[in-house]
Amino acid sequence: GQNIDQPTEMTATEGAIVQINCTYQTSGFNGLFWYQQHAGEAPTFLSYNVLDGLEEKGRFSSFLSRSKGYSYLLLKELQMKDSASYLCAVRDRLGGGSQGNLIFGKGTKLSVKP
Amino acid sequence: GAVVSQHPSRVICKSGTSVKIECRSLDFQATTMFWYRQFPKQSLMLMATSNEGSKATYEQGVEKDKFLINHASLTLSTLTVTSAHPEDSSFYICSARVGGGDFYEQYFGPGTRLTVT
Repeated sequence: GQNIDQPTEMTATEGAIVQINCTYQTSGFNGLFWYQQHAGEAPTFLSYNVLDGLEEKGRFSSFLSRSKGYSYLLLKELQMKDSASYLCAVRDRLGGGSQGNLIFGKGTKLSVKP
Repeated sequence: GAVVSQHPSRVICKSGTSVKIECRSLDFQATTMFWYRQFPKQSLMLMATSNEGSKATYEQGVEKDKFLINHASLTLSTLTVTSAHPEDSSFYICSARVGGGDFYEQYFGPGTRLTVT
């Protein structure tokens, strides 16, 4: 079956660093995505990993290990506006045409406190 | 670029009525759009993949006769919830595919909050 696990909630302090982990078991793999979603709004794209290693984009970095079925999103220099849910999503090669569909985790609600 | 809009943003309807939700790609053409549903504190669940000019592909467990999808043009896909019931109350989000090959991005619309009373 398809399964994506991430912590339900996390709390961190403004200015700090936080790491949100994601583990996945899917029947296929064609990339892992991280999205940010503020309450009542649609997700916005943060990062994409298809090869092992670290992708850095400003204050956000994402890491992937395909052999371990593991990814993390690292947020540095946290700001209050980073309070949101962070969704881990895996593109499964099966279904939805040759390139697969996005399978989402339930999201990690991050609260940034002063 | 790559802006996706949805209309309406919120809708309240009575049980038994039908509701149409529009999804538009504003500055690009989208041959493929996706419709998701998200219940509170749950993940986004793909309902169907909509391809311009052809029938939508529905995920297992999604009733195609209840959730009618029409992708009549390269910039517009519509989802009609027919004979809505309170259990259909949810956050409906569309996304449009940008790019092709091994990597493509999905840009999401702002979502539609449906409440069925």
